[in-house]
Amino acid sequence: SAVISQKPSRDICQRGTSLTIQCQVDSQVTMMFWYRQQPGQSLTLIATANQGSEATYESGFVIDKFPISRPNLTFSTLTVSNMSPEDSSIYLCSVREGTGELFFGEGSRLTVL
Amino acid sequence: KQEVTQIPAALSVPEGENLVLNCSFTDSAIYNLQWFRQDPGKGLTSLLLIQSSQREQTSGRLNASLDKSSGRSTLYIAASQPGDSATYLCAVTGGGNKLTFGTGTQLKVEL
Repeated sequence: SAVISQKPSRDICQRGTSLTIQCQVDSQVTMMFWYRQQPGQSLTLIATANQGSEATYESGFVIDKFPISRPNLTFSTLTVSNMSPEDSSIYLCSVREGTGELFFGEGSRLTVL
Repeated sequence: KQEVTQIPAALSVPEGENLVLNCSFTDSAIYNLQWFRQDPGKGLTSLLLIQSSQREQTSGRLNASLDKSSGRSTLYIAASQPGDSATYLCAVTGGGNKLTFGTGTQLKVEL
């Protein structure tokens, strides 16, 4: 199974600033996803990170707010831009293996003051 | 639109008890169903993946079943332990590889 490392594991940020979250996978994967989990909620897909092309965003999420990079098959970043307290969430990186099984990183817990 | 519901929302059991968590989904056209556990403030740990052609999967004390036609899955945990305390989530993969998560069951196993 894929091993996924996320950095930072947690951070406290000021309103109006931006934070970039990194996701590193120990093997090459085609499909990489970014999720958000707001307090007390289930997971919501932000976007699918595509290698070599722009990310595919879900309804309600836009590139200006959540720019994503995917420079290769083992790495991706998600930036949360111009943060507000409503962005306080756990952000999770995920990959899907050939079997269809989904694996998640440990998450990045973001608090915006 | 796929909707995934988990019942109960919360469950508290004494150590050693066997228990069943339920997951239901509205659209039976799925590719697979996956069960996860999530500890507070952490990521998700994959427990079991059931392909749409399978009826059940087992891993240690865990057994997951799938009845696609009725839109139901159960996760059976045998001889529960305090370390099993976590939130359990089911997720189904449907058309376009779209993953839909359930609402979760918060389990507490007491000494």
